[in-house]
Amino acid sequence: QVQLQESGPGLVKASETLSLTCTVSGYSIRSGYYWGLIRQSPGKGLEWIGVINHSGTTYYNPSLKSRVTLSVDTSKNQFSLKLSSVTAADSAVYHCATSYAGWSFAYWGQGSLVTVSS
Amino acid sequence: QSALTQPPSASGSPGQSVTISCTGTSSDVGGYTYVSWYQQNQGKAPKLIIYEVSKRPSGVPDRFSGSKSANTASLTVSGLQAEDEADYYCSSYAGSNYLVFGGGTKLTVL
Repeated sequence: QVQLQESGPGLVKASETLSLTCTVSGYSIRSGYYWGLIRQSPGKGLEWIGVINHSGTTYYNPSLKSRVTLSVDTSKNQFSLKLSSVTAADSAVYHCATSYAGWSFAYWGQGSLVTVSS
Repeated sequence: QSALTQPPSASGSPGQSVTISCTGTSSDVGGYTYVSWYQQNQGKAPKLIIYEVSKRPSGVPDRFSGSKSANTASLTVSGLQAEDEADYYCSSYAGSNYLVFGGGTKLTVL
């Protein structure tokens, strides 16, 4: 069973960079799948941030592309998000996720709440 | 790219069927078979209940079914149960390696 766990600071200052790491267990990132980040602002819907595969191929949400970087560390079985120049609008629960089926997410982390402070 | 359109709310009595729509365009829902549905309970991570329009992951009851017609996808929950009360989100591949979600529908079991 694939398990994902998010980790990172829960509080980030405005204009700084949000960093989040997703640790995968029960499956090797090298084996395949695309690994994704989805966020949910308080009381709002889901927003796709992007995905990355084991070789580092990335696809990003166009609305966030200029500020987002996904990276993968197969030796640690982790992938990571960096979101630069954050504002209060970036405050959200950030989820790591993946799936055996294309463009869907069957396995999710519990989510990590990130608050942007001024 | 705009979010897919879902009704904010839906409701039904136990045992009834309810259908939630997810409307997009020919560039997303209408153009691909990568439509998924998620169930989310308060404070929990979303759970995949339908993928590729109508496929159910292992363990998802067959009370949940998905379909698509033109630019609108639908999730039908048959034999409503109290435990089905949750938020439901659709998503669709929108081309150019981009995924879009719907705004979500709150399902209430009366």
